[in-house]
Amino acid sequence: EPEVTQTPSHQVTQMGQEVILRCVPISNHLYFYWYRQILGQKVEFLVSFYNNEISEKSEIFDDQFSVERPDGSNFTLKIRSTKLEDSAMYFCASNQGYGYTFGSGTRLTVV
Amino acid sequence: AQKVTQAQTEISVVEKEDVTLDCVYETRDTTYYLFWYKQPPSGELVFLIRRNSFDEQNEISGRYSWNFQKSTSSFNFTITASQVVDSAVYFCALSEGAHGYGGSQGNLIFGKGTKLSVKP
Repeated sequence: EPEVTQTPSHQVTQMGQEVILRCVPISNHLYFYWYRQILGQKVEFLVSFYNNEISEKSEIFDDQFSVERPDGSNFTLKIRSTKLEDSAMYFCASNQGYGYTFGSGTRLTVV
Repeated sequence: AQKVTQAQTEISVVEKEDVTLDCVYETRDTTYYLFWYKQPPSGELVFLIRRNSFDEQNEISGRYSWNFQKSTSSFNFTITASQVVDSAVYFCALSEGAHGYGGSQGNLIFGKGTKLSVKP
């Protein structure tokens, strides 16, 4: 069964550093998403991406965040100047209209 | 605005008991989709079911069943004869609208989740 692949599975970074979280969506999917889950809390929508541009973003997705689809397969989330409160599990998902497939997540720890 | 409420924060049952997880949603759209996901201790999100707003038929899949009632805006999930492996956090989620292909592409709004502990 097709999968959404996320790398790395766990990343530790110093406060103030930039991180890039990587995702490879399912190849024939056209809609891509990033979600965040702070430990013990609910899963929150960050951003959706379609046709090489952001289609929707939440209040959480401020100027610190950016997304990119640099080639035909990767979908990245960049966090500039990380803060302690950015520590969370970040999930990538893709969709072709029949349901969402989530990756297994990247656990980001900011120290 | 859309909202998903899972009033039960934690539920603890003994193996073989039946358990129902409640989900109540709010939306102004007439077309929407409801989902249940399971999050085991390993952290990944496991898709369980998707239901669109025009299909109120209840669904059964093995020990799992879902009861969708538009009149009460509820989409409850029942596990029959629970097992220890069912221990996880379960999330209900809502996606509004139908775009393009007529499927669900809007972003998901999740409830806060219900932590289910099944003890042997």
